Amino acid sequence: AQSVTQLGSHVSVSEGALVLLRCNYSSSVPPYLFWYVQYPNQGLQLLLKYTTGATLVKGINGFEAEFKKSETSFHLTKPSAHMSDAAEYFCAVSDRGNNDMRFGAGTRLTVKP
Amino acid sequence: EAGVAQSPRYKIIEKRQSVAFWCNPISGHATLYWYQQILGQGPKLLIQFQNNGVVDDSQLPKDRFSAERLKGVDSTLKIQPAKLEDSAVYLCASSRGLGTGRVMNTEAFFGQGTRLTVV
Repeated sequence: AQSVTQLGSHVSVSEGALVLLRCNYSSSVPPYLFWYVQYPNQGLQLLLKYTTGATLVKGINGFEAEFKKSETSFHLTKPSAHMSDAAEYFCAVSDRGNNDMRFGAGTRLTVKP
Repeated sequence: EAGVAQSPRYKIIEKRQSVAFWCNPISGHATLYWYQQILGQGPKLLIQFQNNGVVDDSQLPKDRFSAERLKGVDSTLKIQPAKLEDSAVYLCASSRGLGTGRVMNTEAFFGQGTRLTVV
């Protein structure tokens, strides 16, 4: 089964700075890729997804991610961090054949004033 | 549209007791997932249903965990007997999962989860 690795369990940025959260997947066939966000005491919410087509995907709250097949990566970025972005972010991968979904360990984003 | 409903929200039990969680997915969603999320970790897939059939239960500890999805709608997840290490949030999710030969809408929608504490 495919798997996903998130580099860095905790990322801290200043308000207004670039956010970069890293995600690499292992799969022989390009899977579907997702980023979810989890705010404290809330459920998981989809930020964006890549299934096919354009490799640069735009999501909610100003986030975007780029699928790079050669690097087996799907890093999440946001040009300017806001205090409200502080949350746990999960990268997930789903096999195209059976619709399963596996998550990375998560990256906690802290935004400093 | 209504979201994924889970109950109860919180449960505290003693070890060796049994517990059951309930999930009502979004109407029309064929795929249903149960995840276990231990504090500080990512969700771990326990079992995936497509309608009322099991697609993947490779990570379900079958000696103590069981799940069913009767009539391909609601689902229950049971733990019997519970261990201390079962303390976690149990998440239910659903997706359209249109099936082979067609483009699958694989976006999963999550419920609020059930926080289980085993003491």
